[in-house]
Amino acid sequence: EPEVTQTPSHQVTQMGQEVILRCVPISNHLYFYWYRQILGQKVEFLVSFYNNEISEKSEIFDDQFSVERPDGSNFTLKIRSTKLEDSAMYFCASSGQGTNNQPQHFGDGTRLSIL
Amino acid sequence: SQQGEEDPQALSIQEGENATMNCSYKTSINNLQWYRQNSGRGLVHLILIRSNEREKHSGRLRVTLDTSKKSSSLLITASRAADTASYFCATVNQAGTALIFGKGTTLSVSS
Repeated sequence: EPEVTQTPSHQVTQMGQEVILRCVPISNHLYFYWYRQILGQKVEFLVSFYNNEISEKSEIFDDQFSVERPDGSNFTLKIRSTKLEDSAMYFCASSGQGTNNQPQHFGDGTRLSIL
Repeated sequence: SQQGEEDPQALSIQEGENATMNCSYKTSINNLQWYRQNSGRGLVHLILIRSNEREKHSGRLRVTLDTSKKSSSLLITASRAADTASYFCATVNQAGTALIFGKGTTLSVSS
């Protein structure tokens, strides 16, 4: 069964550094998402992406965050200048249709640790 | 906030018993979805139930939806140790562009 893959599985970064989290969505999916989960807390929506542009973003997704689909397969989340509170699991997801019609398929996440 | 909220927060049962988890939400919905998360892993979709459906089955899973009470329940029958995980309900935001998750129920099934 097709899967969403995320790399790296664990990223350790110094505060203030830039970090790029990578995702390969399921190949025929058109909708892409990033979520984060701070340890022990709920999964929080960050951003959704369709047709090469952001379709929705949460208040968490401030100017320090950006997303890109640099080619036909990858979907990246960049945090420009990391803060301690950015430490979390970051999940990428994709769906073939919008969320009103289909479930989302999640990767296993990248654990981001900011020192 | 239209977030779903699960109840109970934690549930411990023996193998073979049934587990019931409840979810409440605040606004009107198009659909409600249930996901499972094993420790250290991503979320796995279990069931999507649309607002015009009242009940849906998938194997040992049964989901009900009561839009008048803005609530849903997930029943796992004849539980197994492998069912040990966190279970989340999720609603879709008004724009249909994001899932809004509750805090989840942590289920522990002991053999």
